[in-house]
Amino acid sequence: AQSVTQLGSHVSVSEGALVLLRCNYSSSVPPYLFWYVQYPNQGLQLLLKYTSAATLVKGINGFEAEFKKSETSFHLTKPSAHMSDAAEYFCAVSVDTGRRALTFGSGTRLQVQP
Amino acid sequence: NAGVTQTPKFRVLKTGQSMTLLCAQDMNHEYMYWYRQDPGMGLRLIHYSVGEGTTAKGEVPDGYNVSRLKKQNFLLGLESAAPSQTSVYFCASRRGTSGPYEQYFGPGTRLTVT
Repeated sequence: AQSVTQLGSHVSVSEGALVLLRCNYSSSVPPYLFWYVQYPNQGLQLLLKYTSAATLVKGINGFEAEFKKSETSFHLTKPSAHMSDAAEYFCAVSVDTGRRALTFGSGTRLQVQP
Repeated sequence: NAGVTQTPKFRVLKTGQSMTLLCAQDMNHEYMYWYRQDPGMGLRLIHYSVGEGTTAKGEVPDGYNVSRLKKQNFLLGLESAAPSQTSVYFCASRRGTSGPYEQYFGPGTRLTVT
């Protein structure tokens, strides 16, 4: 079975500051890892995904994440926060067998202060 | 392409009433999923389908039933609604082939049971 832990249910940063959202996973087989973003009253949109091709993954809107197997982590970063980044962010894991469903973390709400 | 659509967008039910949520996708995806989203808990898998005519239980299936009579549609039914089923429901779909394919999400249905 897989699981995801997101440390920090709320993160607040100033506009222009570094964004760091933490995600740790557990999986007994090689995982695929995803970050999704949810804007208020909307569905989930894929930010980026780890597929084992490269450990540093670049996504949309200037976000990137680094897969660290030794730390079982997949933290999301952005060098400079923008007001439009305010949203809820979900880390998720899946494996390439069976139902291929996503197991989600509990989410991190990002606030960006002017 | 519309992607994944869900109807209705909002619904209020009284305890004991029944309803059906409809999910439709136009991407010819094999796999379809129903999740529920509750504050602080991320998204949890209710039921899923790996192809037309097949369904299976996820982590929180009690009180729900599903059907997939056509490949493009996945229906979620509540036979006797309970206040604990107040939630936001998301449908998702993905390709059926092996690989790190992401899930595509609908806009959600906000259900309140009084």
